[in-house]
Amino acid sequence: DAKTTQPNSMESNEEEPVHLPCNHSTISGTDYIHWYRQLPSQGPEYVIHGLTSNVNNRMASLAIAEDRKSSTLILHRATLRDAAVYYCIPGNYGGSQGNLIFGKGTKLSVKP
Amino acid sequence: DVKVTQSSRYLVKRTGEKVFLECVQDMDHENMFWYRQDPGLGLRLIYFSYDVKMKEKGDIPEGYSVSREKKERFSLILESASTNQTSMYLCASSPPGYGSPLHFGNGTRLTVT
Repeated sequence: DAKTTQPNSMESNEEEPVHLPCNHSTISGTDYIHWYRQLPSQGPEYVIHGLTSNVNNRMASLAIAEDRKSSTLILHRATLRDAAVYYCIPGNYGGSQGNLIFGKGTKLSVKP
Repeated sequence: DVKVTQSSRYLVKRTGEKVFLECVQDMDHENMFWYRQDPGLGLRLIYFSYDVKMKEKGDIPEGYSVSREKKERFSLILESASTNQTSMYLCASSPPGYGSPLHFGNGTRLTVT
């Protein structure tokens, strides 16, 4: 399994963009890069995932480095509701493979 | 939206009791999972199932068993609860396919005294 490095914590101001970095230098060629977040007192929530190209959805954008050894989750305008722990998870799972390894993630605080 | 419902938000049980944690999903997903979450240890996979009556051990299956009699329901059983099983338990489901997102319930906080 690829090892990930994320900052323990980050702070942002409301309505400003947030860039959450993740290093995954040992990622294999077939691993997707998944991002989940966990709000206080809730289960993790899927945010976005990608393989090689940058990806956008209604929640966020995912920028993947050309060598795939790092990625950045971009929240375009942070809201108070975005305060959560964000997990970057490289992996290639599906079907009968269920092992999604959640590390410690980055705790994002959003100031009004 | 996918809904994964865990039957209890908080549960307090005594050492030695048999404990059932129930999870139901409403999206006809093939895959279902049980994790536990502990401070400093992150989420750890206990068991998962990719079809009715099928089950696979995760990283920490000792002391647990599971049951999947219907596609929408996945139960976690603590045969004889112990204090080191005090934890947050999270159920998730997903459709098949690589990269398919997991949908989590809000968790059951179990305390064993």
